[in-house]
Amino acid sequence: GQNIDQPTEMTATEGAIVQINCTYQTSGFNGLFWYQQHAGEAPTFLSYNVLDGLEEKGRFSSFLSRSKGYSYLLLKELQMKDSASYLCAVRRSNSGYALNFGKGTSLLVTP
Amino acid sequence: KAGVTQTPRYLIKTRGQQVTLSCSPISGHRSVSWYQQTPGQGLQFLFEYFSETQRNKGNFPGRFSGRQFSNSRSEMNVSTLELGDSALYLCASSLGAQGVGETQYFGPGTRLLVL
Repeated sequence: GQNIDQPTEMTATEGAIVQINCTYQTSGFNGLFWYQQHAGEAPTFLSYNVLDGLEEKGRFSSFLSRSKGYSYLLLKELQMKDSASYLCAVRRSNSGYALNFGKGTSLLVTP
Repeated sequence: KAGVTQTPRYLIKTRGQQVTLSCSPISGHRSVSWYQQTPGQGLQFLFEYFSETQRNKGNFPGRFSGRQFSNSRSEMNVSTLELGDSALYLCASSLGAQGVGETQYFGPGTRLLVL
């Protein structure tokens, strides 16, 4: 089995930077994914890490440390439209495409 | 390319009934996974199908079943519905080659309410 933990809620100000942490415990790690989900909509893919280090994609970056079972999603220059739930998900090497999700972090961006 | 489509989008059933949900993956994608999303438990993996075969299964009772057709479309069925089955059911499709970093793309979901 595996545990995936992330904060339940976060609030940040428009234009600021926010870091959403995710810790996990798993056997046979085969990648960590971040998804964004707006209320009432489907999750959309943001980023993927399988090796240690930082992956940058525009305003969004994701970091992974496999030895620590730790990842974070960094959102820069926050915009109001970034208010959403951010889901951390881990794939195991013997589980095909099955993703195990954390319960998500609800981010509120305020003016 | 059209995205993942799911039908119906909303459904109301009563306890004890059964329900069938449908998912059409992105054209060319051969893997379809199903997830259940509830406020309390978050997103939980149900099962994955590839080439008409169930490749992985989550920890759900046997009342939850699925199948995949030769055109990669998939259906999931829930029999003897319980109140706790009320949830958003999400389908996700992937190419199926299990390449590094291969991504799952989610459909809009079917919201099921069991009364």
